[in-house]
Amino acid sequence: EAGVTQFPSHSVIEKGQTVTLRCDPISGHDNLYWYRRVMGKEIKFLLHFVKESKQDESGMPNNRFLAERTGGTYSTLKVQPAELEDSGVYFCASSQAGGPRYEQFFGPGTRLTVL
Amino acid sequence: QKEVEQDPGPLSVPEGAIVSLNCTYSNSAFQYFMWYRQYSRKGPELLMYTYSSGNKEDGRFTAQVDKSSKYISLFIRDSQPSDSATYLCAAVTSGTYKYIFGTGTRLKVLA
Repeated sequence: EAGVTQFPSHSVIEKGQTVTLRCDPISGHDNLYWYRRVMGKEIKFLLHFVKESKQDESGMPNNRFLAERTGGTYSTLKVQPAELEDSGVYFCASSQAGGPRYEQFFGPGTRLTVL
Repeated sequence: QKEVEQDPGPLSVPEGAIVSLNCTYSNSAFQYFMWYRQYSRKGPELLMYTYSSGNKEDGRFTAQVDKSSKYISLFIRDSQPSDSATYLCAAVTSGTYKYIFGTGTRLKVLA
């Protein structure tokens, strides 16, 4: 069974540009999560989808970030315009159901560098 | 104050040693506690999770939660070079899906 996949693995952009990250969850997983790790800091929650609906987006830093999950399958996270402080590793995770008893499976992450 | 605190290390031990990794937390509402292992350039993978206080054992790994002191531990017995990775503790309250992570401890097991 394929795990969570993320694309691209690494993106280098200039400040002010737009970047779109993609996450393909494990097939059949309705719950999808985005997390971010800024260098030297802990992994932080960004938001949670159940199918195509946003359940919790309390971790989204500001309105430059837009997450979508059309059709309840893959998800995209767009940063527009990117700022220097957006650099970090963006992880996507998925789980079969919601709640702490259901393991969140993480993807390998997208390393974003904003110059 | 961070909700979950973890010493970043690095921690270097000889092969075969018993490793103790620890976290403290401040939120009394946390009920589920997880340990993730992350190899370089990979995503975190779940090692163990524990509900409330107590111990849980899985092979060479033992997770321990002491809610009275808000202390989480992971013990690795007979450590192997393949255990070299970053170990992340995480906690979550019942009814939410928002994992709160520690910064991770880098472990190096020397052959």
